[in-house]
Amino acid sequence: NAGVTQTPKFQVLKTGQSMTLQCAQDMNHNSMYWYRQDPGMGLRLIYYSASEGTTDKGEVPNGYNVSRLNKREFSLRLESAAPSQTSVYFCASSDNRGQRETQYFGPGTRLLVL
Amino acid sequence: KNQVEQSPQSLIILEGKNCTLQCNYTVSPFSNLRWYKQDTGRGPVSLTIMTFSENTKSNGRYTATLDADTKQSSLHITASQLSDSASYICVVPYDYKLSFGAGTTVTVRA
Repeated sequence: NAGVTQTPKFQVLKTGQSMTLQCAQDMNHNSMYWYRQDPGMGLRLIYYSASEGTTDKGEVPNGYNVSRLNKREFSLRLESAAPSQTSVYFCASSDNRGQRETQYFGPGTRLLVL
Repeated sequence: KNQVEQSPQSLIILEGKNCTLQCNYTVSPFSNLRWYKQDTGRGPVSLTIMTFSENTKSNGRYTATLDADTKQSSLHITASQLSDSASYICVVPYDYKLSFGAGTTVTVRA
């Protein structure tokens, strides 16, 4: 049982390049999330998926797109990377979107945009 | 605005000593408050979840308190160990999302 896995662990991009961050969970959770974490700030929600086939914008969705490929996988795509997107990206999953459920986080992807 | 503020931003303590971290929130309506531990280079891991009716909750050497009237919570670490070095994040749900504090970075020195 690996929990939440993310690939790659680290990536360097040039401005304007595109890439996809991959996330998978093996806990049969319905909900999945993408966050970014910047120094001195709390995690901020980029996009979330309450269930397979649905996605919704979070606090900071601009410049990103997501795909809920199936129940296990939720990918985050940067179509044209910008230096402001340099951050650590975390994927998380939970059983429900209810307010009492625990979110389980992946190890993160560290992205540097030059 | 739904916000979570934590203090101090960072602290250093000697191994074996105690420390207390603070969290103030303005999220409304309130249902529960969580404390997460984030080791360097890792994702956050849940320590405790406290509901409106719970004043104190313990998880080993970690004890969280909640005062829903003043909208304050604290996390107390007893007899700190080197493995307690991490960032501790206070989290409060709202509108089926989570509002995260910026975290308190704790460094435990031998």
